[in-house]
Amino acid sequence: EVQLMETGGGLVQPGKSLKLTCATSGFTFSTAWMNWVRQSPEKGLEWIARIKPKSTNYATEYAESVKGRFTISRDDSKSSIYLQMNSLKEEDTATYYCTMGYNNYYWGQGVMVTVSS
Amino acid sequence: DIQMTQSPPVLSASVGDRVTLSCKASQNINKNLDWYQQKHGEAPKLLIYYTNNLQTGIPSRFSGSGSGTDYTLTISSLQPEDVATYYCYQYNSGYTFGAGTKLELK
Repeated sequence: EVQLMETGGGLVQPGKSLKLTCATSGFTFSTAWMNWVRQSPEKGLEWIARIKPKSTNYATEYAESVKGRFTISRDDSKSSIYLQMNSLKEEDTATYYCTMGYNNYYWGQGVMVTVSS
Repeated sequence: DIQMTQSPPVLSASVGDRVTLSCKASQNINKNLDWYQQKHGEAPKLLIYYTNNLQTGIPSRFSGSGSGTDYTLTISSLQPEDVATYYCYQYNSGYTFGAGTKLELK
């Protein structure tokens, strides 16, 4: 059974940093494309980042809204991906999901991030 | 950026009805479109990928069609468990979700 579980969310002040983790199991992680997608009432669903397998030299892509502030990474030995979020803004407040595959075949349950002073 | 417009925003239908949800792209997306279902309090779930391919485990009453800029998700016979919000998602150029269609029971 494919499982994805996000952790690391919480309340953070504007300008601060936070790191999310997505631990996975049930599939061959090392060859999987992995993504972060977020959802807020204001903006709806928004794809924000992708990391590809080692065969692509761990190529990454980012949405313009987070480029330069967020960094996606992975640890194949732990079947996990990460999202380092720096210089957080109030508009980054959302539920953050990790997803597996080019077509977001599987989703985690999501983790809430609130950016507020 | 490609914009995705879903209609209607809210749809009320009865059990057993044939239901059609629409998604229109601001430019040709070459069938690079998925459909997701999100039930209240849950994460989205992939239903259909690349316009008309049913994800494993999804009931056959769900189907997708379309080309160019116009795409459709059809539920052939609405069931109570289909109450959810449905989103389209294009990945032809960048990655964009529609705003969703909320499907309710009449």
